Amino acid sequence: KNEVEQSPQNLTAQEGEFITINCSYSVGISALHWLQQHPGGGIVSLFMLSSGKKKHGRLIATINIQEKHSSLHITASHPRDSAVYICAVRSGRGSTLGRLYFGRGTQLTVWP
Amino acid sequence: EAQVTQNPRYLITVTGKKLTVTCSQNMNHEYMSWYRQDPGLGLRQIYYSMNVEVTDKGDVPEGYKVSRKEKRNFPLILESPSPNQTSLYFCASSLSRTGLPIDTQYFGPGTRLTVL
Repeated sequence: KNEVEQSPQNLTAQEGEFITINCSYSVGISALHWLQQHPGGGIVSLFMLSSGKKKHGRLIATINIQEKHSSLHITASHPRDSAVYICAVRSGRGSTLGRLYFGRGTQLTVWP
Repeated sequence: EAQVTQNPRYLITVTGKKLTVTCSQNMNHEYMSWYRQDPGLGLRQIYYSMNVEVTDKGDVPEGYKVSRKEKRNFPLILESPSPNQTSLYFCASSLSRTGLPIDTQYFGPGTRLTVL
């Protein structure tokens, strides 16, 4: 059983479209991370959330702690947004405090 | 420049030959961690460290060792590598307070390891 589930697994969009990637988790958490992995393999951290909403440019991340769910939105998508987006949660439990659990990623392809 | 460095970036080795992958950060971060990434399985945590001399097991610690003797370095040691440890490895660090990260993670560039 995977502690973190992401959907969809693959996503194709036309340039300019609004994108949503979803993440659900089953463990108690202290924080949730959204990561971006470029085609070359490098990983960049986009957001760390523990409540509410964060915005950075065209990217918006929200989290609902009660429902154990987070979404990553990309407004006005662009081909350079094509990447794998990964959700990760950091355990909030005493015995596993500091452990990180990952979703399997969403491959996003944006066509011009 | 703030960064996490890993060495080597690529390594091909043979079963049983001990190896060390180094990880170093220059941001004075307390929290450091090692991950492996495999097709179809995604990223999985191997070990993490919330401060000097404090290390804990992640999801897949078997076959790996780590040490955290100083804040900036967190080497990953494979005492007797096996082919199932062929993978892409990432080191990461983040600022933390009372043991928990309070900021996003900074990832190293990755080390592609092949064990024959």
